[in-house]
Amino acid sequence: EADIYQTPRYLVIGTGKKITLECSQTMGHDKMYWYQQDPGMELHLIHYSYGVNSTEKGDLSSESTVSRIRTEHFPLTLESARPSHTSQYLCASAGLGTDTQYFGPGTRLTVL
Amino acid sequence: QKEVEQDPGPLSVPEGAIVSLNCTYSNSAFQYFMWYRQYSRKGPELLMYTYSSGNKEDGRFTAQVDKSSKYISLFIRDSQPSDSATYLCAMSDGGGTSYGKLTFGQGTILTVHP
Repeated sequence: EADIYQTPRYLVIGTGKKITLECSQTMGHDKMYWYQQDPGMELHLIHYSYGVNSTEKGDLSSESTVSRIRTEHFPLTLESARPSHTSQYLCASAGLGTDTQYFGPGTRLTVL
Repeated sequence: QKEVEQDPGPLSVPEGAIVSLNCTYSNSAFQYFMWYRQYSRKGPELLMYTYSSGNKEDGRFTAQVDKSSKYISLFIRDSQPSDSATYLCAMSDGGGTSYGKLTFGQGTILTVHP
């Protein structure tokens, strides 16, 4: 069973606020990923990391930023939230030598 | 054209039916194939993982990969209402140029009614 956690699970916030979505995993995985998924729609990769101090932008352009200061922690930050950022954000991780990704439960963000 | 095509459904079957979910792909470099199940408002959960061509069975689930046809399938036997979810296929080239990124299908929505 995957041990990957996301907080908060639900967040409703006003336009212009700065938010940080937390993602942590206890499996020692080097690779971590952030996806954005609208209801009933496909997963879109927005950020990924192959290890500490490594971050890359994904296939879908996003105004969010990420950091990877510790192996187990991969937070995503939005400096100024807008209604267009309303979506579900999913974090995933994978170990070296495998592409199998394990997902967290997701954070459902609503920006009013 | 998308690299991975998956029939979005929705697919509705009676309890006990055999369900077949399919994906086709165009990238011949794909070697690793996965199926995820995603319940509403939850994160995807890994169901099956296969490498290269062949079959893999786990309980009521069987995954098939035919690399020559660039076609993968997931079969669910004796389907249950608890199987109602969105099923996502995913694949990768094992590191190559994708650096461990997965390419996902669009997902198939399955409903199993009692």
